[in-house]
Amino acid sequence: QSVLTQPPSVSAAPGQKVTISCSGSSSNIGNNYVSWYQQLPGTAPKLLIYEDNKRPSGIPDRFSGSKSGTSATLGITGLQTGDEADYYCGTGDGSLSGWVFGGGTRVTVL
Amino acid sequence: EVQLVQSGAEVKKPGESLRLSCKGSGYSFTDYWISWVRQMPGKGLEWMGTIDPRDSYTNYSPSFQGHVTISADKSITTAYLQWSSLKASDSAMYYCARVGTVTKKGDPWGQGTLVTVSS
Repeated sequence: QSVLTQPPSVSAAPGQKVTISCSGSSSNIGNNYVSWYQQLPGTAPKLLIYEDNKRPSGIPDRFSGSKSGTSATLGITGLQTGDEADYYCGTGDGSLSGWVFGGGTRVTVL
Repeated sequence: EVQLVQSGAEVKKPGESLRLSCKGSGYSFTDYWISWVRQMPGKGLEWMGTIDPRDSYTNYSPSFQGHVTISADKSITTAYLQWSSLKASDSAMYYCARVGTVTKKGDPWGQGTLVTVSS
């Protein structure tokens, strides 16, 4: 049972949009920045969004993040087959350097 | 280029000891934390613990406290994850990640080390 709650899977056709929710509490999302990670099959996680809504260089603006209260959302527009992956939200929790993750959401392009 | 390079895959027997390494390069090693994350086959990411390389202060997830030890040698910009007595249930992929002290963003991640524990 992960500390943060994500839907197990979402799917959409190429070109469409998907959103992935991440629900937590005041001890984690409510008082910490949220990051999102993309894990392509057989690879290490990669930072996609940080500080709730910022994109590292090289991440296309099709990916966006938002946060409200104790929940965060990742949006992917213009869905591509190369976006098929597992997506995880992550944030701080409790102790200064504690880290928690959502259970992950599998994105499928129909 | 900022990168973390992890040691290679391991095959061990139950009860054996093991130490994994994670070498950072391309940045000031003591300016960021290093966290270790477990991913069991077909499962999600689990935070194990974090170390501050400046003073080797460590913080463990309650789920892993007492079963693993995290350490670092800042002179060679390397962090370690070790077990004194492995169990079959420790079979998993292990990742290290550089973590911002304020943003808590994990970037980059090491390539991962696959650990297989089997008799």
